Amino acid sequence: KAGVTQTPRYLIKTRGQQVTLSCSPISGHRSVSWYQQTPGQGLQFLFEYFSETQRNKGNFPGRFSGRQFSNSRSEMNVSTLELGDSALYLCASSLARGGARGSENIQYFGAGTRLSVL
Amino acid sequence: QKEVEQNSGPLSVPEGAIASLNCTYSDRGSQSFFWYRQYSGKSPELIMSIYSNGDKEDGRFTAQLNKASQYVSLLIRDSQPSDSATYLCAVTGRGSTLGRLYFGRGTQLTVWP
Repeated sequence: KAGVTQTPRYLIKTRGQQVTLSCSPISGHRSVSWYQQTPGQGLQFLFEYFSETQRNKGNFPGRFSGRQFSNSRSEMNVSTLELGDSALYLCASSLARGGARGSENIQYFGAGTRLSVL
Repeated sequence: QKEVEQNSGPLSVPEGAIASLNCTYSDRGSQSFFWYRQYSGKSPELIMSIYSNGDKEDGRFTAQLNKASQYVSLLIRDSQPSDSATYLCAVTGRGSTLGRLYFGRGTQLTVWP
């Protein structure tokens, strides 16, 4: 079974531009979460989608948005890029949402998209 | 705001030793706990999950959970240089934050030959 696939793997953008990142979850997984990882802040939660609905949102400005499609694939968008948006963006998928016992709520990560803003 | 705290490290142990990684969490009602390993430049990979008080063993890894003390730990026996990585403790949210994982800042482990 294929893992979580994120595209593209690397991106270089300039300030003010916008970017769209894509995530294909493991087949059958319905929950997709996005995280930003930087050396200074660690792993920061962006948002979680389940059944095409945003269920949770982290403490990020409105420039960060996302969506989930009927096939559970997800995209996140960052508009008006700033230098501080340079980070590794990670997508994770799970069968179900947290709270279920057992393996259904385990989140599996993709390889990430490394975004550099110049 | 739920918090997950890990011993900051870095932690350095010789090959063959036991590495002990610790994590505390603030939400007494948390139900699921995970340890992820992250190599430099790579994404986190799950190494252990634990849901009930006590110990859970998987090969050289043992996770320990004490909900009364809000404490979860990871022991790595017979540490190998290939275990050198950052270890992340994660706890699931509940209620309005169901589906979200709360991560600690990670503990960097170095195993030297």
